[in-house]
Amino acid sequence: EVQLVESGGGLVKPGGSLRLSCAASGFTFSSYSMNWVRQAPGKGLEWVSSISSSSSYIYYADSVKGRFTISRDNTENSLFLHMSSLRAEDTAVYYCARGIYGSGYILEAFDYWGQGTLVPVSS
Amino acid sequence: QSALTQFASVSGSPGQSITISCTGTSSDVGGYNFVSWYQQQPGKAPKLMIHDVSNRPSGVSNRFSGSKSGNTASLTISGLQAEDEADYYCSSYTSNSTQVFGTGTKVTVL
Repeated sequence: EVQLVESGGGLVKPGGSLRLSCAASGFTFSSYSMNWVRQAPGKGLEWVSSISSSSSYIYYADSVKGRFTISRDNTENSLFLHMSSLRAEDTAVYYCARGIYGSGYILEAFDYWGQGTLVPVSS
Repeated sequence: QSALTQFASVSGSPGQSITISCTGTSSDVGGYNFVSWYQQQPGKAPKLMIHDVSNRPSGVSNRFSGSKSGNTASLTISGLQAEDEADYYCSSYTSNSTQVFGTGTKVTVL
């Protein structure tokens, strides 16, 4: 059974940093692209970042470029999002999600999602 | 990259069919057959319902179907059921090598 479990969320002050993790199980993690999507309270979904299976390709939304860094450890079946210079508008539930196809695809549909981790940014 | 445009709400009676639209541009929806649809129940993670315009993942009811014409993609739910009440989001690959989601549509079953 595919499982994605996010962790690392919590209250952070504006300007602060935080690292989110996503532990994957139930599939060959190293074969799939992985993604972060966020949802501000009461708002819609916003794509944040994607990373290819071998980390060769990485993409970011303009809203986080230069502040957020996506990475993965295929030996530990883990995905990460390092967030810095956090702003109030970064307050959201952050979901990790798997790309549907594997085999070098990226920016395709997201077929499995974690339950999310909440990141409130407030002083 | 601006969000794709969706009507805020759509409603229908049980058994009816409804269609949710998702309008973008030639740089996203109109330019690629990489449109997906997600269902999100309150307090839960999104669930993939349709990928690549019209493909249903295993386990998704065949009451859900997708299509595209020009810069507008559509999700049709036939035989509407109470359990279909949820928020629905479209998404598309874009020419900037990003993903963009729609603004979301709340489906209400009357």
